[in-house]
Amino acid sequence: EVQLVESGGGLVQPGGSLRLACAASGFTVSRYYMNWVRQAPAKGLEWVSIIYSGGYTYDGDSVKGRFSISRDNSKNTLYLQMNSLRVEDTAVYYCARGRSGGSGGFDFWGQGTLVTVSS
Amino acid sequence: DIQMTQSPSSLSASVGDRVTITCQASQDISNFLNWYQQKPGKAPKLLIYDASNLETGVPSRFSGSGSGTAFTFTISKLQSEDFATYYCQQYDSLPFTFGPGTKVHIK
Repeated sequence: EVQLVESGGGLVQPGGSLRLACAASGFTVSRYYMNWVRQAPAKGLEWVSIIYSGGYTYDGDSVKGRFSISRDNSKNTLYLQMNSLRVEDTAVYYCARGRSGGSGGFDFWGQGTLVTVSS
Repeated sequence: DIQMTQSPSSLSASVGDRVTITCQASQDISNFLNWYQQKPGKAPKLLIYDASNLETGVPSRFSGSGSGTAFTFTISKLQSEDFATYYCQQYDSLPFTFGPGTKVHIK
């Protein structure tokens, strides 16, 4: 059974850092493209970052230069390193798997982890 | 970046109604368009991928169509469990972008 479990969220001051983790089971993270998607309180979905099976990464404009996606193949875990956090980064962060073959949508999602940036 | 718009932003409907949501892309995205359902406090769920393909396990009352810049999502006969927010998403080019969502309310 495919499962994604996020962790690492919490309260952090503006300018601070946090690292989110997404532990995968039931499939091999390195064989799929993996994403982070966030949702600010009472707002819509915002795509954040992607890592392809080959290792290529890309970040959305709002987090470029501050966030970094990575994975640990030995732990079958996806990460999001978040630096220079801003109040507007407050959101539930989801990890999501891209469908096999690189086409189609995000077929499995974690339950989300809440990041609150506040002084 | 490709901008996605959806209409309406919200709608009220009754069980058994036919519901249609439209999604417009700011440039040609071929059929690289997905639809998700999200219920309060839950992660989104993929319903339709590549504009018209039903994800495994999703009821056949959900359907999608379109290509290029204009897309449509339809629920043929609304069920009580379908009251939720629906998002389109393009994955033609990075950064991937979501539409603003359409909230389906109970009338």
